[in-house]
Amino acid sequence: DIQMTQSPSSLSASVGDRVTITCRASQSISKYLNWYHQKPGKAPRLLIFAASSLQSGVPSRFSGSGSGTDFTLTISSLQPEDFATYYCQQTYSTPRTFGRGTKLEIK
Amino acid sequence: EVQLVESGGGLVQPGGSLRLSCAASGFIFSSHEMNWVRQAPGKGLEWVAYISGTGSSTHYSDSVRGRFTISRDNAKSSLYLQMNSLRVEDTAVYYCVRGSGSSGVYYFDYWGQGTLVTVSS
Repeated sequence: DIQMTQSPSSLSASVGDRVTITCRASQSISKYLNWYHQKPGKAPRLLIFAASSLQSGVPSRFSGSGSGTDFTLTISSLQPEDFATYYCQQTYSTPRTFGRGTKLEIK
Repeated sequence: EVQLVESGGGLVQPGGSLRLSCAASGFIFSSHEMNWVRQAPGKGLEWVAYISGTGSSTHYSDSVRGRFTISRDNAKSSLYLQMNSLRVEDTAVYYCVRGSGSSGVYYFDYWGQGTLVTVSS
């Protein structure tokens, strides 16, 4: 199975900050990497697919990059509604594993 | 509007069985692969099972293979998860999730609200 390692596991930031979360795959997954966020008590929401494609309806302050084994999710200017837990997921092979999450908290 | 509504969760004893259902609407159900993803209390996301649009192909995580069965009824736009030999560690919120994509790109674009399964004596 492909292991997905996210860092950091938690992060404190302020509204307006630029934030970057990283995700590393245990083997090359080409561009088959998705990002989701999840607010407490809610279902996850797709933000980015295929490493850098913005899902419809997602604000443009979210962006993704990377290929192979190393990927990043960047939020250019944090908004209050962005404080949540972020997960990466590889869809290169089954099982379609998720990272363990990055909890983004208000400083 | 795409909607996925799970039902069937509840409290069950270890070794027991439960069948989850997911009612889909707002899209052509048979055109999409479907998945179940679970989340144990306070933990991260774990993909559980996959089924192709026709139902002819299924895949399972190692943790549930041989105990859980995913199925679908395209005439009813419904997805199911039959869970047998349940263990305490199966306790989680179970999400019904739509898969989308093409040319190798694949992602989970719509999620239900989840249904809680608690396995406890």
